[in-house]
Amino acid sequence: GDSVTQMEGPVTLSEEAFLTINCTYTATGYPSLFWYVQYPGEGLQLLLKATKADDKGSNKGFEATYRKETTSFHLEKGSVQVSDSAVYFCALSRGTSYGKLTFGQGTILTVHP
Amino acid sequence: GAGVSQSPSNKVTEKGKDVELRCDPISGHTALYWYRQSLGQGLEFLIYFQGNSAPDKSGLPSDRFSAERTGGSVSTLTIQRTQQEDSAVYLCASSSFGGELFFGEGSRLTVL
Repeated sequence: GDSVTQMEGPVTLSEEAFLTINCTYTATGYPSLFWYVQYPGEGLQLLLKATKADDKGSNKGFEATYRKETTSFHLEKGSVQVSDSAVYFCALSRGTSYGKLTFGQGTILTVHP
Repeated sequence: GAGVSQSPSNKVTEKGKDVELRCDPISGHTALYWYRQSLGQGLEFLIYFQGNSAPDKSGLPSDRFSAERTGGSVSTLTIQRTQQEDSAVYLCASSSFGGELFFGEGSRLTVL
């Protein structure tokens, strides 16, 4: 079956540091890939997505590129802020089941001033 | 409403009792999803509604779990004879057909 594996956290960074959160997936065919973010006390929010190989999703300074050859969708940000502290989830969905998501375990990110 | 609304936000119950969790989706969203977020299992899909029909119930963990949706709007997730392993945060999400999912803040269930 489908699965998503994220790097284990927690990840602790200083403000303005570079962020990478690794995500790899196992799925047949061509799933759509997502990053969701959960800020403290809030619901899950879509951060970015990519629907086909080599697509780059971007939002709020975050980027991730759909790499079919390595089955990866790593999240990156060049300079993190304290306000980026949250839990980040990588996820995939297939075809017409767009909203039926398979999630990774989540990575807690804490950014210190 | 402005967003997906879930109630109650917190529920503490005794083992063996039944609980109902409610989801009020964004107005006009035809698709509605229930997920469960627990420490041991992470985020898991439970059930999907399109309108009032549930074409995918594959994530419901046992026959103690059921859900319905009425009027193409509000949905209720019912857990009968709750067990301690049912303790989790139950998330609801809605979307237009093929559109982005919008999640509620969840209902935290604690079974003593």
